[in-house]
Amino acid sequence: EIVLTQSPGTLSLSPGERATLSCRASQSVNSNYLAWYQQKPGQAPRLLIYGASSRATGIPDRFSGSGSGTDFTLTISRLEPEDFAVYYCQQYGSSPYSFGQGTKLEIK
Amino acid sequence: QVLLVESGGGVVQPGRTLRLSCAASGFTFSSYAMHWVRQAPGKGLEWVAVISYDGSNKYYADSVKGRFTISRDNSKNTLYLEMNSLGADDTAVYYCARGVVVIASYFHYWGQGTLVTVSS
Repeated sequence: EIVLTQSPGTLSLSPGERATLSCRASQSVNSNYLAWYQQKPGQAPRLLIYGASSRATGIPDRFSGSGSGTDFTLTISRLEPEDFAVYYCQQYGSSPYSFGQGTKLEIK
Repeated sequence: QVLLVESGGGVVQPGRTLRLSCAASGFTFSSYAMHWVRQAPGKGLEWVAVISYDGSNKYYADSVKGRFTISRDNSKNTLYLEMNSLGADDTAVYYCARGVVVIASYFHYWGQGTLVTVSS
C-alpha cells in the first residue's frame, strides 16, 4: 500500500501570495497517477489536477501540479479568497487508491 | 450533466448492516468504473472500494475487506455498498465517485454524500 504524506499540515498565507503544497509517496506512483483535490466545509471534494500536472476542466491556470515518482507539488500562483480550503493528494496508480491526510490552507 | 445522488445513510447500531445506494444520471453508467470514498467527521478522505463497469472486478480497502460489498445494477443506473458488522470507525460521510472508464482513476465527479452514524 502506498502511503501519501502531505506537508505542511497547515499553511497560513495572505491573498495574492504563492502557495506550495507537497505530497510525498512511500513508493513510486505508477505512471505519475497523482491527483489533487480541493475541499471546502460541507462540500464534496473538487478535482483540480490529474496525472500529476493536467488541470481538470474549468480549473483556473493559477493552479498547477508538478512532480514525478515519489515527490509531487501543487502550486497556487496567486491566492484568491476562494482558494482557502483543504487540499488532498491521491494516488490512483495501484490499489488501494490512497489519499494524503490533507493540507489546510488558511488566511493569515 | 453528470449527477450522482447517494441515499441510505442514517443511524445504525454497532454490528448491524446498512446498504447505501448511488443513483447516477447524465452519462452512460454501464461504461464506467465506480468508487466509494468516505470521510469521518473532521477527518480526511479514505478510499473504500471500486467496481468495474460490468461488475466483474472489485477491490476494497483493507479496513472494509470482508465486511463491505460493492455492487451495481446497470439496468437501474445504480451503485450500491452493503456494509456489514458496522463499527464506530465506520461513522463517516460516504461519497460515490466517478472518474474515467477504467478502475484506476481519479475522481472527476462526486455525489453530495450520505452520512452513516454507527452508535448504540
